[in-house]
Amino acid sequence: SQQGEEDPQALSIQEGENATMNCSYKTSINNLQWYRQNSGRGLVHLILIRSNEREKHSGRLRVTLDTSKKSSSLLITASRAADTASYFCATDRGGGAQKLVFGQGTRLTINP
Amino acid sequence: GAGVSQTPSNKVTEKGKYVELRCDPISGHTALYWYRQSLGQGPEFLIYFQGTGAADDSGLPNDRFFAVRPEGSVSTLKIQRTERGDSAVYLCASSPGGNEQFFGPGTRLTVL
Repeated sequence: SQQGEEDPQALSIQEGENATMNCSYKTSINNLQWYRQNSGRGLVHLILIRSNEREKHSGRLRVTLDTSKKSSSLLITASRAADTASYFCATDRGGGAQKLVFGQGTRLTINP
Repeated sequence: GAGVSQTPSNKVTEKGKYVELRCDPISGHTALYWYRQSLGQGPEFLIYFQGTGAADDSGLPNDRFFAVRPEGSVSTLKIQRTERGDSAVYLCASSPGGNEQFFGPGTRLTVL
C-alpha cells in the first residue's frame, strides 16, 4: 500500500519559477527520501532527510520535514526545462530492511 | 562505473506464460530490491535480498511470484502463469548498505 501522498499530483510552471511539492505519510519513519523519475523508468535519488532533521539543502533543492505533521516538502528553485519529471517521496521505517514506501508522485512540467 | 542494469528492457508475453526478469546490481552492493510500478503510481516494494537470502518478501503479491539471488549478485524475478494485471514496470535497485538505493531502468512487462 502507498504510505506517501504527494500534493499536487501535477504541477506546471514557467522556467525560472520555483516549484514546491508536498508529501504526507502515515507512520513513524527513520528517514524520508525524494526521487526523480524521467519517462516512467529508472528513479534517481535526489536527497535524504533523517527523522531528526528539519531542513536540508542540495544545490537548487531544499527539503523540509515536519515529523509532528508527518509531512515533507521539496522546493526546486530557479526551475529549468530539464527539471521536467515525476517526483516521488519515499519513506524508510527503519528496522534494517530499508525497504522504501513510495507515494504516487507529482508530475512536474517546466514550460520554457 | 556501471549502474544497475535490467534485462530485457521490454517483455511482451501472453496470459498464462512464464517470464523471468533479470537484474545486475552495482558490483559490491550487498542489498538488492525489486519494486513494481503500475502506470501513474509510485513503485511498490516486492522483495529485498541481503546477500543471497531473501530478507523480506512481504511485498510479493502471491505465490506466482518468486525471486532468487543465488550468488549474492545477479537476481532473477520469476512470474508463473502471468495475468494481465501483472503488466507493469519492474524496477530493481541495489544498495551498498546505506540508505540510498540505486535504481535500474526497469523492465516493462506487458501481458496480453
